[in-house]
Parts: sequence; C-alpha cells; structure tokens
Amino acid sequence: DAKTTQPTSMDCAEGRAANLPCNHSTISGNEYVYWYRQIHSQGPQYIIHGLKNNETNEMASLIITEDRKSSTLILPHATLRDTAVYYCILGGGITGTASKLTFGTGTRLQVTL
Amino acid sequence: NAGVMQNPRHLVRRRGQEARLRCSPMKGHSHVYWYRQLPEEGLKFMVYLQKENIIDESGMPKERFSAEFPKEGPSILRIQQVVRGDSAAYFCASAPREASTDTQYFGPGTRLTVL
Repeated sequence: DAKTTQPTSMDCAEGRAANLPCNHSTISGNEYVYWYRQIHSQGPQYIIHGLKNNETNEMASLIITEDRKSSTLILPHATLRDTAVYYCILGGGITGTASKLTFGTGTRLQVTL
Repeated sequence: NAGVMQNPRHLVRRRGQEARLRCSPMKGHSHVYWYRQLPEEGLKFMVYLQKENIIDESGMPKERFSAEFPKEGPSILRIQQVVRGDSAAYFCASAPREASTDTQYFGPGTRLTVL
C-alpha cells in the first residue's frame, strides 16, 4: 500500500541539477513530505522535509505543488557522491509524535561524468 | 556531536546462536527505531522505543526477536536462535525527545551474516 510513487531510476550529469519527482495523491492534510537517501550500503540520510511551502537547505530544495499531490526534490549541482537511492516518504503530522518511516523502492539516481 | 553509533558493524553467527546488536542514539535523543534491510530489498520498520518503553513493535517478527532501550545504556536488538533468513543489515535511528516530525538520524548499520 505505497503512499508515494517514484520513478525507479534516473541519470544526471555531474554539475547539472537533479530533479527527482514524487507523487503522493492521497496525502492527508497534516502529513509532511520527507526525503531521505541511502548511499550504497550506508545508513539512510535525512535530506529535507516540508508541509506545503517550498523548502531549501544546504543539501537540496523541495518544491511541493499547491494541491500537495506531488513534489520534486532538487539537487542543484549534482556530484558523483550524490549517487544513491532517494526515498520520498510521508509522515509526521503537525501534532503527532514521531513514528515509523515507511520506505518504498525509491529512485536510484546515477550521477555520471 | 557524535552521530548514532551501532556495534558491531559486522556480526557472524552460526545457525542457532544468539545475536545482540547495540545502538547508541545521538546525544539528547530519546526515541530509537530499528529497521531491517534484507539483501536487495528495501528498509522495513521493526520497532520503535522510548526509554524503558516499547511504543510500536508492529514490524517485529513474533518469535525470536526482542528489543529494549533501558534507562541507562544503549538500545539492544536481540535475535535468538538465528536462522539464515535473519542475514541482513540492521539499522538503528534516533530522534530527539521533542520529536514531532519524522526526522530520524540513522547509524551505519550492523551487517549480520548467519552461516
């Protein structure tokens, strides 16, 4: 019962922006959109999260559509070290306590020279 | 600020032995989560603990698996009488005391191999 859908894989040239889409048409009003990534065999790494406004941090930007049914993670200048599986996950209501993360299959991003 | 620590990083056990995996959360974090990643598969939630309490164990196998997070010391994931199917990477994550979102910080994992 996947709540998000992502492309299986994507390629990106080094130095270019990587735009990773995620569909979450059944998102509820108080659910956040989270992005994590897992670089080969390492523990997952938190990237960014947002509710309805666009967000930016030192790693990436998150663009959420006005209807909140989809979002895009943007890595502005991808490097080879950004090669990883990227997971889009819903969770964490505004007033809720932290809960389990449900990982789907994610998008395997390959950054190439 | 040290991150989430897990030990051992690699653990080899023979069938029928016990495996104990340890997780020290980040300083100030009182929420601990355990996830399992079978070979070539995605991460699956196992259990969520706060100090001295199991909050959600809906992902734990019914038998042989247990977890604790005592008042002092690391969280322990214990697997009794291991079988080959338990071979996997086990990741621990932690979140702050005032957690109201799902920002979790993961450790490097323990790779369990059952011979």
